[in-house]
Amino acid sequence: DTAVSQTPKYLVTQMGNDKSIKCEQNLGHDTMYWYKQDSKKFLKIMFSYNNKELIINETVPNRFSPKSPDKAHLNLHINSLELGDSAVYFCASSQGQGARNTIYFGEGSWLTVV
Amino acid sequence: AQSVTQPDIHITVSEGASLELRCNYSYGATPYLFWYVQSPGQGLQLLLKYFSGDTLVQGIKGFEAEFKRSQSSFNLRKPSVHWSDAAEYFCAVGFYNQGGKLIFGQGTELSVKP
Repeated sequence: DTAVSQTPKYLVTQMGNDKSIKCEQNLGHDTMYWYKQDSKKFLKIMFSYNNKELIINETVPNRFSPKSPDKAHLNLHINSLELGDSAVYFCASSQGQGARNTIYFGEGSWLTVV
Repeated sequence: AQSVTQPDIHITVSEGASLELRCNYSYGATPYLFWYVQSPGQGLQLLLKYFSGDTLVQGIKGFEAEFKRSQSSFNLRKPSVHWSDAAEYFCAVGFYNQGGKLIFGQGTELSVKP
């Protein structure tokens, strides 16, 4: 079983559309994250949640709205998609919020905005 | 400015040869240090991490890294590279007071020639 799973893996959509990426972890972790990897492979944190509570919000446009219905799920909704949103989005999880806790990444969701 | 630098964007080594990937950080305090590997089309996998203590740490897949405070470096090494090691390698830092936020370097792509 995949520990951190994301759907869809690939998504091609037009500018202006609204889309969601879903993430689920079966590791029993209490903390989940979204990271964005741009076309130059640069990885940057977007959000983190601990027990459904928003902990980190890294100056992400408010078109991006994470939602955590329970501690095993963290979905990412993106409104009014722009060309610059094209990237790979990685979901991740850890037990505990601290940097000492190993972070497990999903396989990524490739978003292409045309 | 605070940063994580991986000076080599792309490295090619012969199978069986030794490998060293460089990572330098620019922060006032010693951060937690990590190396992740990303195989094509896959998520990130933790290779090893350093928090404190012995400055030479062992990881999975035969990798090791050495923390050198005087050089603000955390270089990744492997004595004998296998073709399956071809991937993108990311150095990352975390801090005790910033939750699970990791700051990544720009990555080094490793190619292995027969």
